[in-house]
Amino acid sequence: DADVTQTPRNRITKTGKRIMLECSQTKGHDRMYWYRQDPGLGLRLIYYSFDVKDINKGEISDGYSVSRQAQAKFSLSLESAIPNQTALYFCATSDSNRGPGYGYTFGSGTRLTVV
Amino acid sequence: QKEVEQNSGPLSVPEGAIASLNCTYSDRVSQSFFWYRQYSGKSPELIMSIYSNGDKEDGRFTAQLNKASQYVSLLIRDSQPSDSATYLCAVTYTSGNTPLVFGKGTRLSVIA
Repeated sequence: DADVTQTPRNRITKTGKRIMLECSQTKGHDRMYWYRQDPGLGLRLIYYSFDVKDINKGEISDGYSVSRQAQAKFSLSLESAIPNQTALYFCATSDSNRGPGYGYTFGSGTRLTVV
Repeated sequence: QKEVEQNSGPLSVPEGAIASLNCTYSDRVSQSFFWYRQYSGKSPELIMSIYSNGDKEDGRFTAQLNKASQYVSLLIRDSQPSDSATYLCAVTYTSGNTPLVFGKGTRLSVIA
């Protein structure tokens, strides 16, 4: 089983619909992140959480919300999906107890299409 | 706004050659630097990290960091077609207590 699991893997939804992307991890990491990736734009941070009671906005949080239900679970919601939210979404985790050199572990991604 | 800049490429090198990928960053308080490899449609995977000036070698990969000039590079020796991917540079600040900031990536193509 994957260490960081994202569901669904692919999703097509209609404009205006609410949709939730889920991320769960078995690595025991305390920090979790949501990024989106668009062609030519790299990875951009949406939200991040350093522990269950900590939620922070990233550079592109408008139109998104998150919930950290447990240390292992971090969900991303699109309240009212719009076509320019079509992208590849990645969840990532990291461990604050390890040195900075360990980087992030990424999930396999969710490809979201808003029509 | 903290920025991480990479040439988008594509960078084409022949098989067996050295591929050199470069990254510059805007903030002098940058602490740690990472290189990720991403195959098309897949998730990024960590290749190397570096946080001290100089070179760090791991197999065919060498990361080079120059904090005075604010650049970090990745050298891939004996490039193979399987190295063809997008390489993402990422930077963290303040002793790792801020999220990684990623560059837009450089696409590398190794020609057999």
